[in-house]
Amino acid sequence: TAGITQAPTSQILAAGRSMTLRCTQDMRHNAMYWYRQDLGLGLRLIHYSNTAGTTGKGEVPDGYSVSRANTDDFPLTLASAVPSQTSVYFCASSEQISGANVLTFGAGSRLTVL
Amino acid sequence: AQSVTQLGSHVSVSEGALVLLRCNYSSSVPPYLFWYVQYPNQGLQLLLKYTSAATLVKGINGFEAEFKKSETSFHLTKPSAHMSDAAEYFCAVADSGGGADGLTFGKGTHLIIQP
Repeated sequence: TAGITQAPTSQILAAGRSMTLRCTQDMRHNAMYWYRQDLGLGLRLIHYSNTAGTTGKGEVPDGYSVSRANTDDFPLTLASAVPSQTSVYFCASSEQISGANVLTFGAGSRLTVL
Repeated sequence: AQSVTQLGSHVSVSEGALVLLRCNYSSSVPPYLFWYVQYPNQGLQLLLKYTSAATLVKGINGFEAEFKKSETSFHLTKPSAHMSDAAEYFCAVADSGGGADGLTFGKGTHLIIQP
C-alpha cells in the first residue's frame, strides 16, 4: 500500500513564482492536512480538509491555498512564493481510531525559495 | 486552544539506558494525546496514542507513555535505549473532536544515543 504520495520530493523556486505541491492518498481517508516543518518550530498546520469539497485554515494559512475536488487529492498552492516559505511540507490523512484522528504522513516535499 | 510543550530540544542517553522524553499539554477538555517519531529524511510515524481507555499506553519499538491528568503530562519512556532509537520525537494533542481539524504538535525532541 502506497499510503500518501507527495511530489515533488524537493524543489528550488525563485521568489515570486507559483508552485503546487501534490498530495495523493490511496487509503480513502476523509480528512487530509498540510503541515510545514521548520527547525525549532515543529510542525504547524497550514490547511486541512475534513471531506471532499470542504477546506479549513490552520495556524499558518497566509500565502497558501488548497482545494479538495475528490477524496484522494489535496494539492497545496503557493501563488507567489517568498523566502519565508522555505520549509519541508508534509501532507497527511487521518482515520478515526477510538475517537481519535490518527494521522498518516507522506515523506515530505522540501521547498527552497530563493 | 490546546498546546503542547516538550521539555528539552535535545536529549542524549547512553545505549542501554532509560529514555525519558517529556511532554506537557494544555487543553480545556479531556485530550487525545499522541507521540510520533521521525527518522532522518522521512515523514512522521505514530508511536502510540492516548484515547482515555487506559492511562498507561504501550506503543511500538518498546516505547510507552503514561497519561497523568494531575500533572497534565504524557511523558514517553523506554527502559533500554537502542542505537536505532535515534530520531526526532513529537508529542501532539487533539481536542475533544479527536483532531478532525488537525493535531497540535510540540516543537520536537531530538534523541541522541551515545554508544
